[in-house]
Amino acid sequence: GAVVSQHPSRVICKSGTSVKIECRSLDFQATTMFWYRQFPKQSLMLMATSNEGSKATYEQGVEKDKFLINHASLTLSTLTVTSAHPEDSSFYICSARRWDTGELFFGEGSRLTVL
Amino acid sequence: AQTVTQSQPEMSVQEAETVTLSCTYDTSESDYYLFWYKQPPSRQMILVIRQEAYKQQNATENRFSVNFQKAAKSFSLKISDSQLGDAAMYFCAYRSYTGANSKLTFGKGITLSVRP
Repeated sequence: GAVVSQHPSRVICKSGTSVKIECRSLDFQATTMFWYRQFPKQSLMLMATSNEGSKATYEQGVEKDKFLINHASLTLSTLTVTSAHPEDSSFYICSARRWDTGELFFGEGSRLTVL
Repeated sequence: AQTVTQSQPEMSVQEAETVTLSCTYDTSESDYYLFWYKQPPSRQMILVIRQEAYKQQNATENRFSVNFQKAAKSFSLKISDSQLGDAAMYFCAYRSYTGANSKLTFGKGITLSVRP
């Protein structure tokens, strides 16, 4: 099946620094990628939708300047958490929609811990 | 806006028994997709089963089957012959039929434990 890879899987950073998480579709082109945030034992909360070559669409309540999303190619989207603070600690998951079939595939997730 | 409701936060089942996870949704659309996803402790989201709303026949995938009641807006998942590896969090999800940007709307999830 199609593979979506997220990197890094775990990251620990100091408060005030920025962290970049990559989401790559390894064997297909993705027209659309989605970024989610998940707290323990809770559901996935959609943060933003990104399309290759255009600005991301953010969900209500998600700070655009805090969570920068770049979808530079049909196989790569990045989420940058700027000036991270402990409350940004969470599990971040991406998903990619295959351009030809429309199927959605999820990455393995990235656990961010801000000290 | 569409909503997905999973009212049971936790369920438990004896190994080899059958369990049914409930899900209801609300929408004004006539065409859409419904999904059940499994999230084991590894946190990797795994697609369990998918149902197109226009299909009357309930989807099945090996030990997993759904009871799709379109008029009642109900979409339950039945797991037969439960195995220890079925222990996970399960999410019901809705997606509009059209639109490249159509997003998944998830329910709150249910934690399923399997007793040996």
